[in-house]
Amino acid sequence: AQKITQTQPGMFVQEKEAVTLDCTYDTSDPSYGLFWYKQPSSGEMIFLIYQGSYDQQNATEGRYSLNFQKARKSANLVISASQLGDSAMYFCAMRVVFGAGGTSYGKLTFGQGTILTVHP
Amino acid sequence: DARVTQTPRHKVTEMGQEVTMRCQPILGHNTVFWYRQTMMQGLELLAYFRNRAPLDDSGMPKDRFSAEMPDATLATLKIQPSEPRDSAVYFCASGFNRDTTSTDTQYFGPGTRLTVL
Repeated sequence: AQKITQTQPGMFVQEKEAVTLDCTYDTSDPSYGLFWYKQPSSGEMIFLIYQGSYDQQNATEGRYSLNFQKARKSANLVISASQLGDSAMYFCAMRVVFGAGGTSYGKLTFGQGTILTVHP
Repeated sequence: DARVTQTPRHKVTEMGQEVTMRCQPILGHNTVFWYRQTMMQGLELLAYFRNRAPLDDSGMPKDRFSAEMPDATLATLKIQPSEPRDSAVYFCASGFNRDTTSTDTQYFGPGTRLTVL
């Protein structure tokens, strides 16, 4: 079975500092994708970054980078130069393929989330 | 700036009433997902459509929930009759899936916050 674990219910960081949000996953499927989403207090889910299981390089998107350690099955999100607007819930998610042939599809499994608070 | 839209944003209703939530996926996307988010269960997948066909609705209570895509620009999630335990935020997400190697990045709508009294 596929499983995503986020062990940090809450994290605090000082503005302008970097912060790492942990995510570990478990799957026997060799092909999978890892995603991070941000959910601010307004409630919407915002896609941040994606890493494919076969990607050689760690994904980066602006201030976000994904520290992908395949052997350890971890996909930590690193936010550099934290801003007050980064305060939100962050979800790690894994996509694996279900089904076969024409009916196969990618299904996301989400972790429980980490609440990040950025202090001025 | 293409976005998934959902209506209504908030819905308060009484137990036993029918609730219909609507979603307009991003133009050109061929996959639609319905999720439910609660404090206790987190994010749960309720239904998945690709090219308007339902591929997975195993997460949905079949006796009261139904999901449809009447056309490529509209997805609906209906609860009849609603119960207090259905109170949650319901998200619609859309994406593009070409084959099993696609990234399947899902873009979420703002959600419908449902309260059943």
